[in-house]
Amino acid sequence: DAGVIQSPRHEVTEMGQEVTLRCKPISGHNSLFWYRQTMMRGLELLIYFNNNVPIDDSGMPEDRFSAKMPNASFSTLKIQPSEPRDSAVYFCASRQRTDTQYFGPGTRLTVL
Amino acid sequence: QKEVEQNSGPLSVPEGAIASLNCTYSDRGSQSFFWYRQYSGKSPELIMFIYSNGDKEDGRFTAQLNKASQYVSLLIRDSQPSDSATYLCAVILGTQGAQKLVFGQGTRLTINP
Repeated sequence: DAGVIQSPRHEVTEMGQEVTLRCKPISGHNSLFWYRQTMMRGLELLIYFNNNVPIDDSGMPEDRFSAKMPNASFSTLKIQPSEPRDSAVYFCASRQRTDTQYFGPGTRLTVL
Repeated sequence: QKEVEQNSGPLSVPEGAIASLNCTYSDRGSQSFFWYRQYSGKSPELIMFIYSNGDKEDGRFTAQLNKASQYVSLLIRDSQPSDSATYLCAVILGTQGAQKLVFGQGTRLTINP
């Protein structure tokens, strides 16, 4: 299996621009998670889906952030408009029921 | 109180010694506990999980769980320079069908040759 796939791996954009991060979970996994990691705040859970349905989005920092999972093999995290404080590494992870959670390689986002 | 707390370190241990990493959690109902290792610039990878009180050993790694005191620890025996990384403690929170993995801040471990 290819593991969790994320794209792009690196993104540099200017403040105010829209940013879209993409994730393909491991085939057969029914839960998908989006995390953000910074030095100051560590690894924070933003939102997670079970069977393509958002279960808990309490970690989404504000309305500028949105996430979708249109099918079992694809999810997006969108930031519009982006701000410099959104600069972080964004990880996607997937899991099958209560089994081990596997992380993707992450997207390093820099907002200038 | 944070849901999962760790000493951020850095923790420095000489090669060959035992490294001890600690974690406390706030939800007394938590049942599942995990240790992830994260090398610089890489994604977290699972190294151990523990569900029952007591010790669980896997090679040079031992996870210890004390639910009454709400702490979980990780011991690394015969520490190697390759063990230098950030270690993340994680706890499953929530009920069946709506469970999420919440992480501590992580402890940065350095093994000195």
